[in-house]
Amino acid sequence: GAGVSQSPRYKVAKRGQDVALRCDPISGHVSLFWYQQALGQGPEFLTYFQNEAQLDKSGLPSDRFFAERPEGSVSTLKIQRTQQEDSAVYLCASSLAGQSYEQYFGPGTRLTVT
Amino acid sequence: DAKTTQPTSMDCAEGRAANLPCNHSTISGNEYVYWYRQIHSQGPQYIIHGLKNNETNEMASLIITEDRKSSTLILPHATLRDTAVYYCIVRVANRDDKIIFGKGTRLHILP
Repeated sequence: GAGVSQSPRYKVAKRGQDVALRCDPISGHVSLFWYQQALGQGPEFLTYFQNEAQLDKSGLPSDRFFAERPEGSVSTLKIQRTQQEDSAVYLCASSLAGQSYEQYFGPGTRLTVT
Repeated sequence: DAKTTQPTSMDCAEGRAANLPCNHSTISGNEYVYWYRQIHSQGPQYIIHGLKNNETNEMASLIITEDRKSSTLILPHATLRDTAVYYCIVRVANRDDKIIFGKGTRLHILP
């Protein structure tokens, strides 16, 4: 079946621009996670949704980062006024929860801020 | 911070068993050992997890020491496609919670 998909796969933004990254989780998956992965590092947690509720946003590095999942399915991670330090791969993962807590990851969006 | 310690990188000849070590000396009684891997340009992929007994699936085997302070992931017959970063993680099972990754071990399979 279809896995987690993310778009775009690559994004180049000029410093100061706003960007929006999309995640389509596996159909029926209740939980959705966003992670940020800097070059040469492991993924780091950003935020977590259960259905449309954002239950944990403790990992968001600044108030320029905003995530939403209005209908409990597709999620968007928005970064306002991008900075060079925002350059990273942004990974999305989903899980069924309740029955299986295994997280399935998408391929990520590589963001480069110039 | 990650609760595990892994070597930065390892090499293994194709066709041989790859043994990836992990130290987790502060593991709690209700925490499991999980392994994920991340192939270049892909997201992390679950491999295996265990509590205290050795586990085996179609991808790998997991050997956990009796005191649970360390473990070894074994890929029995490594292929070039196993070249990836392998992450050892300790976390409570059956909980919808974020994964805390460390830096992992970069495994190179040599032809």
